[in-house]
Amino acid sequence: GENVEQHPSTLSVQEGDSAVIKCTYSDSASNYFPWYKQELGKRPQLIIDIRSNVGEKKDQRIAVTLNKTAKHFSLHITETQPEDSAVYFCAASGAGSYQLTFGKGTKLSVIP
Amino acid sequence: NAGVTQTPKFQVLKTGQSMTLQCAQDMNHNSMYWYRQDPGMGLRLIYYSASEGTTDKGEVPNGYNVSRLNKREFSLRLESAAPSQTSVYFCASSEVSGSLGGEQFFGPGTRLTVL
Repeated sequence: GENVEQHPSTLSVQEGDSAVIKCTYSDSASNYFPWYKQELGKRPQLIIDIRSNVGEKKDQRIAVTLNKTAKHFSLHITETQPEDSAVYFCAASGAGSYQLTFGKGTKLSVIP
Repeated sequence: NAGVTQTPKFQVLKTGQSMTLQCAQDMNHNSMYWYRQDPGMGLRLIYYSASEGTTDKGEVPNGYNVSRLNKREFSLRLESAAPSQTSVYFCASSEVSGSLGGEQFFGPGTRLTVL
């Protein structure tokens, strides 16, 4: 089955700086890669996703890049704000699969 | 719309007791999921139902059973609870599943402690 590795497990940045979270996946047939944000005590919520036929996708201050050859994808958050503090999860789904496999999460702390 | 709802919010069980976690969605979604979340382990899929009438095992199904009661409801049952099942349980739903790219909408979670 699919295996998703996520790094780093914790990340602290100064407010206004950029944050980058990286994930690798094992199944070369995977073709859907979402990112979820989970604030403390809350439920996970989708923030951005990308398909394997796209190399990069942006939505305001967040962007995701995908390198199919290397089997890794990354979340980029620019101009970080205190409200960006949360746990972020990457996930991957293989072609024809009904499942998402999640990484173990990155706890991002934005220091004012 | 309430989205995805779960009951109960909190539960404490003794080892060997049974219970059912309830989940319902009002978004007319086809697919539903049960995850458990443990510190440092991310979200691990227990069971899923790609469509009404079907259920399949996920990554960690041992000790659990599920029922897709109808399109709206998907329940998770612990027949004989063990301390290793202490966790936060999330139900989720999506219009389409897996690689088709449907956003999963999560419920508020159930915090279960097994003593």
